[in-house]
Amino acid sequence: ETGVTQSPTHLIKTRGQQVTLRCSSQSGHNTVSWYQQALGQGPQFIFQYYREEENGRGNFPPRFSGLQFPNYSSELNVNALELDDSALYLCASSMAVGGISYNSPLHFGNGTRLTVT
Amino acid sequence: DQQVKQNSPSLSVQEGRISILNCDYTNSMFDYFLWYKKYPAEGPTFLISISSIKDKNEDGRFTVFLNKSAKHLSLHIVPSQPGDSAVYFCAAEGGTSYGKLTFGQGTILTVHP
Repeated sequence: ETGVTQSPTHLIKTRGQQVTLRCSSQSGHNTVSWYQQALGQGPQFIFQYYREEENGRGNFPPRFSGLQFPNYSSELNVNALELDDSALYLCASSMAVGGISYNSPLHFGNGTRLTVT
Repeated sequence: DQQVKQNSPSLSVQEGRISILNCDYTNSMFDYFLWYKKYPAEGPTFLISISSIKDKNEDGRFTVFLNKSAKHLSLHIVPSQPGDSAVYFCAAEGGTSYGKLTFGQGTILTVHP
């Protein structure tokens, strides 16, 4: 069983730039979620993708966008980077039925550490 | 509005003793609760969960207790081992948010040999 993999592991960008983070979901999972973990905080839900469509969004501005591909892999795109976007970005996958993951623990990747200077 | 709170930033215990990590929540729609463990440079790893229809769930050395009336849950680790040293996150979901977890801030557990 292949786990959740994320790339790159580290990234340094300048304020105002754009960034794309990538995630391959665990085999057998059809749903991908993205979380942002700031230093000293718990992960915060950004959005979730199911069947290539956004299936729920947290309190993040539209400059955070995503994609899910037919093989269930996913991308997180952030435009117009701000200093506060510096964080660990975590991807998680799960198995959903009808777009809902009832009591199905999320499986996380090791994250991408983004630093915005 | 912090819907899931872990009020203890850190906890230090001796090897072999019990570790008790606490978590409070405010959203009454939450009905499924999870604990994740996180080592540095790794993603969170699922540890144990509990549904609101239960008040206790055990898995080896780990037991989670749920007190719905108090909106409180706790994770007990007995006996604690040095390898348990990590950050522990409490998370919750429910209502329209299945699969979209709300996390607490985390508690750093240090188990001394």
